[in-house]
Parts: sequence; structure tokens; C-alpha cells
Amino acid sequence: EAQVTQNPRYLITVTGKKLTVTCSQNMNHEYMSWYRQDPGLGLRQIYYSMNVEVTDKGDVPEGYKVSRKEKRNFPLILESPSPNQTSLYFCASRNLAGSLNEQFFGPGTRLTVL
Amino acid sequence: AQSVTQPDIHITVSEGASLELRCNYSYGATPYLFWYVQSPGQGLQLLLKYFSGDTLVQGIKGFEAEFKRSQSSFNLRKPSVHWSDAAEYFCAVAPTGNQFYFGTGTSLTVIP
Repeated sequence: EAQVTQNPRYLITVTGKKLTVTCSQNMNHEYMSWYRQDPGLGLRQIYYSMNVEVTDKGDVPEGYKVSRKEKRNFPLILESPSPNQTSLYFCASRNLAGSLNEQFFGPGTRLTVL
Repeated sequence: AQSVTQPDIHITVSEGASLELRCNYSYGATPYLFWYVQSPGQGLQLLLKYFSGDTLVQGIKGFEAEFKRSQSSFNLRKPSVHWSDAAEYFCAVAPTGNQFYFGTGTSLTVIP
């Protein structure tokens, strides 16, 4: 089954404790992206990647890091989480070939930073 | 600044009634345009997209959207709403196809 998976789905942590949220897709998509969703703000793009070793900042990259060492994986790293990073995070991927193709979204990771 | 505006935070409609959700954007050129739906506790599902051609776009689940360049709008419509359409709806634009900007969403309630 074609899908985007995220782990963990739920995470409660404390301020300053480094964490990584993993994202993996099995569709051989070149493009992957991270978003955060907050009430009243919709989704905001954090980082995106056009291919292996190619990453770019989205609208709200501060406090986040990403890496794209393999095509299928695009982990989101919070080196020193703060309470304002409490949010619902979505990973997405899409095929870059041809016209603008649909983004497939993962199920989301709900992060709470105390 | 680039922006996507969904002026209606919440809309309530009766089952069987028509629906229109508004979306306006502010970009210089015509961007790629999308509507997504998010059911409670779920990820986002693409309803439809537009990037060129016919300005009336058909999507899944009986939804359609019309691009109006003069109004910088991309409103979503459905002739007859079903109870299962209750969800949150997001308009999104991608000026270059790589960076995506979402509106703040419109929550739809459907009453019997």
C-alpha cells in the first residue's frame, strides 16, 4: 500500500530535550515536506526537499532541522524543543515528474513540549 | 507578503443545501491552487487542483472550484452537501510548485 508513515504518532517531551520525528514514504517520491498545523493558523510549511541532499526552508523553519540522506526518509529534528513547538506535524511527499502532482500526507504527529 | 485568506472560519449548512467556501490569495502571477479536506483526526486529502486551462475544475466527492483571476479567488462549491462532508477545508497555493501556503481553514458543520 502506497503511504507516508510518521513516527511517533504522539510525543510528550520537555523543553530542551532533542527529538526526531521520522517520516518515510514508499512511493519513490522525489519531493518531501514537513508542515505544522496550529489552531487558527492552518498548515505552515517548515522545510521541503526536492531530492536526496537537497533541502530548502519553508515558511517557518526556525528551531527545526531536516536531512535527506535517503530518498524515502525525511526526518524532522528539534535540537532544543520549546513549548511554542507544541503542534500537530504532518509529513508529505509527491512525485515531481510531469505536472504538479498530488501531495500525499502522513497521519500526523502530535507533539507536546512541556 | 504572500497570503491565502479563507474569510469564513466556520460555516453551517443543512444537508442537501448548496455550499460555497471562499478562498482569496495575494500573489503576482497565477499560482498553483488547491483545495484539501481534513476529517477529524485525519491527514489531508486533495479535493482538486488548478494550474492552467479551464477555470472551472472538477474534483472528487462532487466538489468543484472556479478560478477567477480578476478577483484572485478560487472558491470551492458543491451543489448538495451530504452529512459526510462535515470536515475542515483548506485552500492552498504554491507560487512555484515547491513552497506551499495554506489558508487558516473553514470548518464545515452539516445539520440534518
